Amino acid sequence: SYELTQPPSVSVSPGQTARITCSGDALPKKNAYWYQQKSGQAPVVVIYDDTERPSGIPERFSGSRSGTVATLTITWAQVEDEADYYCYSRDRVFGGGTKLTVL
Amino acid sequence: EVHLLESGGGLVQPGGSLRLSCAASGFPFFAYAVSWVRQAPGKGLEWVSIISGSGDTTHYADSVKGRFTISRDNSKDTVYVQVNNLRAEDTAVYYCAKTFYYDSSSGDHYFDYWGQGTPVTVSS
Repeated sequence: SYELTQPPSVSVSPGQTARITCSGDALPKKNAYWYQQKSGQAPVVVIYDDTERPSGIPERFSGSRSGTVATLTITWAQVEDEADYYCYSRDRVFGGGTKLTVL
Repeated sequence: EVHLLESGGGLVQPGGSLRLSCAASGFPFFAYAVSWVRQAPGKGLEWVSIISGSGDTTHYADSVKGRFTISRDNSKDTVYVQVNNLRAEDTAVYYCAKTFYYDSSSGDHYFDYWGQGTPVTVSS
């Protein structure tokens, strides 16, 4: 198996754009998925198939992938977006997670 | 409404066993794969195992292969994982997740619904 590498933490002020990256050698050939996990709660998928947003996920969440890096972008980040975010690959590998702080 | 409810977790000594259950409702259970994902205290998510809708196909993470066995009873809308020879590093919250394969040819999938998890603590 291989690894997906994420920064441990990202911090932004409310209203700013948060970008969380996920890097992995296999990503050029594999779609990326993103899960949000708020404290004490189960994860929720926010992006699938690199760029698709499930119903109910706010439009401020978007995803992209280029080469070995996938990126989750939260435009106009809100306090309620504060959570841990995990990338995932169909090879059943999770990234280590990124703690997003919005304050 | 889709609902997944895990049960069966608890405190067990090293080398012990447990059977975790995941009871599902709100969707045609037989048509969907179900996965187990765990999270050690203060750590990230780790995929553990998956079973196809029919139960014919299973896969395991290397860390649990040979010790965990996943199964399902479609007449009861329930997935199980028998966890044997438990180790301290198996201590985690175990989540079950409905797994949606939106492209079966490529294997692309994601976990669209999750339960709230059942905690397993391995300690003497």
